[in-house]
Amino acid sequence: EAGVAQSPRYKIIEKRQSVAFWCNPISGHATLYWYQQILGQGPKLLIQFQNNGVVDDSQLPKDRFSAERLKGVDSTLKIQPAKLEDSAVYLCASSSRSYNEQFFGPGTRLTVL
Amino acid sequence: DAKTTQPTSMDCAEGRAANLPCNHSTISGNEYVYWYRQIHSQGPQYIIHGLKNNETNEMASLIITEDRKSSTLILPHATLRDTAVYYCIVRPTLDDKLIFGTGTRLQVFP
Repeated sequence: EAGVAQSPRYKIIEKRQSVAFWCNPISGHATLYWYQQILGQGPKLLIQFQNNGVVDDSQLPKDRFSAERLKGVDSTLKIQPAKLEDSAVYLCASSSRSYNEQFFGPGTRLTVL
Repeated sequence: DAKTTQPTSMDCAEGRAANLPCNHSTISGNEYVYWYRQIHSQGPQYIIHGLKNNETNEMASLIITEDRKSSTLILPHATLRDTAVYYCIVRPTLDDKLIFGTGTRLQVFP
């Protein structure tokens, strides 16, 4: 079974630029999560989708972050404009049902200069 | 949500059992104990979870005290590939959020 795919693996941008991350969850998984992991900390949930609907985006900085999952499969997370403090690893996870085990992708490491 | 307390770091010799403690003194009756681990440069990986009974799978064993205020994750024969950050998470049954702390950094040495 293929795992959660994410791209790119690494991205370096300057502050005030825009960036987008892509996630392809495990086939058939209805629930998709985006997490932010700052160096030395545990992952923090940014947004949760159930199919193509948002279940929880209470921790998403909506002035600069946006996410979508248009067809209930792939998802993109965008930051516009980026700030220095957005430097982190962005992890995507999926699960077959919202209470089940979450499977994580390898993450995208973002560096904002 | 109940909070967890874990040691910042631990060492373990290869081949020996690694016992990782977790305190969750404010846990309530409907909250499970979950363990995930994160190997360097990878996403977190599910290990095991339990409510009040001890649990075992192919990766590890989970021992939960009778009062449920603490638990121990046991890796019976640690290998170098078990070097990772281990997260103990308390998760309500009707809540699918995983709230990660800073975890325990386990270093397995030869």
